[in-house]
Amino acid sequence: QVQLVESGGGLVKPGGSLRLSCAASGFTFSDYYMSWIRQAPGKGLEWVSYISSSGSTIYYADSVKGRFTISRDNAKNSLYLQMNSLRAEDTAVYYCAGVAAATDAFDIWGQGTMVTVSS
Amino acid sequence: DIQMTQSPSTLSASVGDRVTITCRASQSISSWLAWYQQKPGKAPKLLIYKASSLESGVPSRFSGSGSGTEFTLTISSLQPDDFATYYCQQYNSYLTWTFGQGTKVEIK
Repeated sequence: QVQLVESGGGLVKPGGSLRLSCAASGFTFSDYYMSWIRQAPGKGLEWVSYISSSGSTIYYADSVKGRFTISRDNAKNSLYLQMNSLRAEDTAVYYCAGVAAATDAFDIWGQGTMVTVSS
Repeated sequence: DIQMTQSPSTLSASVGDRVTITCRASQSISSWLAWYQQKPGKAPKLLIYKASSLESGVPSRFSGSGSGTEFTLTISSLQPDDFATYYCQQYNSYLTWTFGQGTKVEIK
């Protein structure tokens, strides 16, 4: 079935780094634009980063620009988020989400992985 | 950046009620609006895209309308499974994607 599975979350100290992965299955990953979206505990949804289907176009939210790097490997059906210089306010559940051309909306979501930034 | 404002923030309703949630954009987004449902501890689920198109598999009691800056999500007859938080999201600007702050639909 159509599935996105995130991994790589955990507890990290402020200023530290973490790399999230998202494994796709059950659909043609290379046809999908992908994004990372996060949700701080008890808060709403915040878009973090976007990458086009080929990887040639990338955007970031201002809150993570210069610290986070999104990438993808279509041969491995995988999406990544390298997070550096982490801050307490980056604490959140991180979701990977896919955008199909037919809907132009986030129609496939992973289950999320928790990132906690604390000393 | 485009800001999205939902109202109300919380809504108390009973099974069978007709429920309407409003989402306003700070500038025109044409029909580039989606609605999501999220239950506690779960990922969001796409309900409506392009303001009024029903995602495959979503019950027909959900409907969306609007264009420009004002949009609505309507649940025609609230069911027990519909108690959740609902988010609108704009994708008119491909430099950023913005969500509303959410509307929690509670049992009255």
